[in-house]
Amino acid sequence: GNSVTQMEGPVTLSEEAFLTINCTYTATGYPSLFWYVQYPGEGLQLLLKATKADDKGSNKGFEATYRKETTSFHLEKGSVQVSDSAVYFCALSDQRGYNKLIFGAGTRLAVHP
Amino acid sequence: GAGVSQSPSNKVTEKGKDVELRCDPISGHTALYWYRQSLGQGLEFLIYFQGNSAPDKSGLPSDRFSAERTGGSVSTLTIQRTQQEDSAVYLCASSLGLAGGRGRDTQYFGPGTRLTVL
Repeated sequence: GNSVTQMEGPVTLSEEAFLTINCTYTATGYPSLFWYVQYPGEGLQLLLKATKADDKGSNKGFEATYRKETTSFHLEKGSVQVSDSAVYFCALSDQRGYNKLIFGAGTRLAVHP
Repeated sequence: GAGVSQSPSNKVTEKGKDVELRCDPISGHTALYWYRQSLGQGLEFLIYFQGNSAPDKSGLPSDRFSAERTGGSVSTLTIQRTQQEDSAVYLCASSLGLAGGRGRDTQYFGPGTRLTVL
């Protein structure tokens, strides 16, 4: 079945450091891929998405490229801020399952000044 | 505009009691999803509604769980005879329900209901 695997956290970085959170997926067909973010005490928010191979999603300085050949969708940011501290979830949309989202386990990011 | 709202925000109940969780989707969104977020299982899909019908109930963990949606809007998730393993945050999401989806049909999440079963 479809699944998403993302790197375990927590990831601890200093402000202005480079961030990579790895995400790989297993899916039949051509799923859409998403990164959602959950800030402390808040609900899930869509951070970025990509709907087909080689698409790059970007938002708030974060980027991720849909790589079909490596079945990956790694999240990157060139310079993190304390306000980026949150839990990040990689997800795919199961097209054969009414677009329900299948999530990775989540990666907690802590950014220190 | 208003986002997805859920009530109550927190619910503490005793084992064996029934609970009802409510979701108000974004106005005009025909698709509605329930998910569960727990420490052991992460984020899991429970059920999907298109309008008032539920073509996918595959994520409901047992027959103690049921959900309905009325008027193509508000949805209620009911858990009967709650067990301690039901403790989790229950999330509702809604989307426009665009045909074909493919990521154009973004799901917007509510703040969740934290359920604690003592």
